[in-house]
Amino acid sequence: EVQLVQSGAEVKKPGESLKISCKGSGYSFTSYWIGWVRQMPGKGLEWMGIIYPGDSDTRYSPSFQGQVTISADKSISTAYLQWSSLKASDTAMYYCAIQWELRYGMDVWGQGTTVTVSS
Amino acid sequence: DIVMTQSPDSLAVSLGERATINCKSSQSVLYSSNNKNYLAWYQQKPGQPPKLLIYWASTRESGVPDRFSGSGSGTDFTLTISSLQAEDVAVYYCQQYYSTSGFTFGPGTKVDIK
Repeated sequence: EVQLVQSGAEVKKPGESLKISCKGSGYSFTSYWIGWVRQMPGKGLEWMGIIYPGDSDTRYSPSFQGQVTISADKSISTAYLQWSSLKASDTAMYYCAIQWELRYGMDVWGQGTTVTVSS
Repeated sequence: DIVMTQSPDSLAVSLGERATINCKSSQSVLYSSNNKNYLAWYQQKPGQPPKLLIYWASTRESGVPDRFSGSGSGTDFTLTISSLQAEDVAVYYCQQYYSTSGFTFGPGTKVDIK
């Protein structure tokens, strides 16, 4: 079964760093893209960026460029989304999802990771 | 950035009746070399991640009931639920995956039972 399993909920303070994970299984992790999506409380979906774990080719939405870093460790079939200095406005649910091609729908989704940033 | 808009923001439909959601992109998402529209539709129920329903504007994902259909081309698209069921209550999003500078989503349309 193709599956993405995300890391657990996080509660952080403003200014702290954070790295959340998304582990793939049941498919060739290095052959397909993984995208990240933000959903702020009660709001819609925002596409953040995408990585191809095979060669770490990474693309960012202009809205998120410089605000987050997307990476992957193909040796453990895991993609990451990280922040160097969190803000309260980063409070949201974050989803990862597989895109079978760069320009394709987001097909298999992780369960989501809730990030809460509060002083 | 390609901006996606949806209408209506919400709608309430009686069980068994048709629900229609519109999506418009600020520029064409039709790729002329393969005649494909780079447009997907998703369903999101409360507390769940989104689910891909339709891609290439009109291709139903495996396992999606055939009461869901997508149509349109270029900049104007429609998701139709031909006979609304109770389990279809959700928020529906369109997304363009044409522009690699950002695969933007529409703002969503909430579907409820009347």
